[in-house]
Amino acid sequence: SQELEQSPQSLIVQEGKNLTINCTSSKTLYGLYWYKQKYGEGLIFLMMLQKGGEEKSHEKITAKLDEKKQQSSLHITASQPSHAGIYLCGADSPGNFNKFYFGSGTKLNVKP
Amino acid sequence: KAGVTQTPRYLIKTRGQQVTLSCSPISGHRSVSWYQQTPGQGLQFLFEYFSETQRNKGNFPGRFSGRQFSNSRSEMNVSTLELGDSALYLCASSWAGGPQETQYFGPGTRLLVL
Repeated sequence: SQELEQSPQSLIVQEGKNLTINCTSSKTLYGLYWYKQKYGEGLIFLMMLQKGGEEKSHEKITAKLDEKKQQSSLHITASQPSHAGIYLCGADSPGNFNKFYFGSGTKLNVKP
Repeated sequence: KAGVTQTPRYLIKTRGQQVTLSCSPISGHRSVSWYQQTPGQGLQFLFEYFSETQRNKGNFPGRFSGRQFSNSRSEMNVSTLELGDSALYLCASSWAGGPQETQYFGPGTRLLVL
């Protein structure tokens, strides 16, 4: 089965600082998704990356996909308290596209 | 467009009981997936339905079942509840559950088994 490993598991940053979260897959990535979750709530879709080298941005969040390394990174610039939450990466299962796998999540706290 | 809705939002049951959770997908979406989220195991795939048929199933016991109706609404049922079934149950919908297709999640149902 495919596994997604996220690092770090948790992160505390001062407001205004930049940060990066990584997601590494044990198998080839066909589609990589980033979601954000507030504690005990549903997942909010951030962005999807499909091709190696692809980079997408939404407000102050940028995600990249390195197909060769089977890795994606999520970068937040000038973090704000509103960025706090759990960031999860998810991926299509190879050959089984309606079966998603998720990483264990990265818990982000932003200190004002 | 309204998002994915799930009912109820919170539920308390006792061991041995059964429970039914409901999920209404985004209008036009025909694929509905269910996930269980616990602190220990994270987010795990339960099953996926498309056009009233279960297309995929995760590694959960047969006590976990589901169904989908002709209007794409889905229900999941857990019979003979165990303490370990306490979790946040999330459903997600997508257009057809195809490759590289974004899934949109509901707010979840938090189930507590006493």
